[in-house]
Amino acid sequence: EAGVTQFPSHSVIEKGQTVTLRCDPISGHDNLYWYRRVMGKEIKFLLHFVKESKQDESGMPNNRFLAERTGGTYSTLKVQPAELEDSGVYFCASSRGQGGYEQYFGPGTRLTVT
Amino acid sequence: AQSVTQLDSHVSVSEGTPVLLRCNYSSSYSPSLFWYVQHPNKGLQLLLKYTSAATLVKGINGFEAEFKKSETSFHLTKPSAHMSDAAEYFCVVSDRSGYSTLTFGKGTMLLVSP
Repeated sequence: EAGVTQFPSHSVIEKGQTVTLRCDPISGHDNLYWYRRVMGKEIKFLLHFVKESKQDESGMPNNRFLAERTGGTYSTLKVQPAELEDSGVYFCASSRGQGGYEQYFGPGTRLTVT
Repeated sequence: AQSVTQLDSHVSVSEGTPVLLRCNYSSSYSPSLFWYVQHPNKGLQLLLKYTSAATLVKGINGFEAEFKKSETSFHLTKPSAHMSDAAEYFCVVSDRSGYSTLTFGKGTMLLVSP
């Protein structure tokens, strides 16, 4: 069984540009999560999809971030326009269910905004 | 609200000696607790989880953790460190009321010397 995959593994962009991160969850996992770790800080929750619907987006920092999950399969996270403070590692995770089900994490995308 | 405090940002041990990574939590509900490990350039991997069954939880690679409600602690231990244990470890809490947002500690880097 393939794990959670994320693309790209590393992205370097200039302030003001747009970047789109992609996450492919484990097949059959309806729940998909995005997390972010900025340097020196803890990993923080961004949002949670159940299939194609946003269950909780309370962790999204501002309206420069847009997440989608078309068809309930892969998800994209777009940052537009990127700011310096958006630099960090963006993790995606998926799970079969909620409430204690294990979340399987991808390797993360390291975003550097210069 | 829930929170996690990992008491050490770095822990250094010699190969073959015991490992102790400390974690205290705070949760308004009966929590689920997890330890995840991240090796360089890899995704987060679940080591073990506590979800209200036995308070002593055994995980992969010889790790175990004990849930102590009176002390609000969930410390991770291993009797004998191996070089391959060198990684970053995260203590994580989840609200077990049915919602599954994970709250992470800041991480503890485990360094293992020969």
